[in-house]
Amino acid sequence: AQSVAQPEDQVNVAEGNPLTVKCTYSVSGNPYLFWYVQYPNRGLQFLLKYITGDNLVKGSYGFEAEFNKSQTSFHLKKPSALVSDSALYFCAVRDMNGGFKTIFGAGTRLFVKA
Amino acid sequence: NAGVTQTPKFQVLKTGQSMTLQCAQDMNHNSMYWYRQDPGMGLRLIYYSASEGTTDKGEVPNGYNVSRLNKREFSLRLESAAPSQTSVYFCASSTGGSAYEQYFGPGTRLTVT
Repeated sequence: AQSVAQPEDQVNVAEGNPLTVKCTYSVSGNPYLFWYVQYPNRGLQFLLKYITGDNLVKGSYGFEAEFNKSQTSFHLKKPSALVSDSALYFCAVRDMNGGFKTIFGAGTRLFVKA
Repeated sequence: NAGVTQTPKFQVLKTGQSMTLQCAQDMNHNSMYWYRQDPGMGLRLIYYSASEGTTDKGEVPNGYNVSRLNKREFSLRLESAAPSQTSVYFCASSTGGSAYEQYFGPGTRLTVT
């Protein structure tokens, strides 16, 4: 069965510092991995995805994520955090052979302090 | 280009009442989805429609029905609302295929008393 774990409910970081939001996954086949961001009272917005190829993927707003197959991880990173990055972040996985079902993690709330 | 729209934004129901949540997308996407979001549980898939004319159960389909009215519209119906269905409901769409990201509507906040 597919699953996604986001081990931290909340991440706190100072503005200008690097940030990491962690995600590990489990699928039976090869994974398609996604990160989404949710601002208060809004729907989720797509940030980036890993499908195949380079393990480091770059996305919107300066975010990037590294796919690590051996550790089954897909951590979200940004070199320099902004206060406006404060939001709820969701990691999601699809099994390449599993059709249309996407499994979302529980979410990690990011607080960036000025 | 409005993307994905949902109506209503808020709704309060009494136990046993019924209602339909509406969703429409203007991106010519093939696939559409209904999720519910509960605190600490992320998003859980209720139903999805891989293409016009097809619908399939997701992770938590009990108590819900769906209709893919046409390529643009995908509605979610609660026949007899229960307090356990208090949640925020999101509709999403995607081009199709498992490699494609989803685009989400703004959500409907439903309270069942």
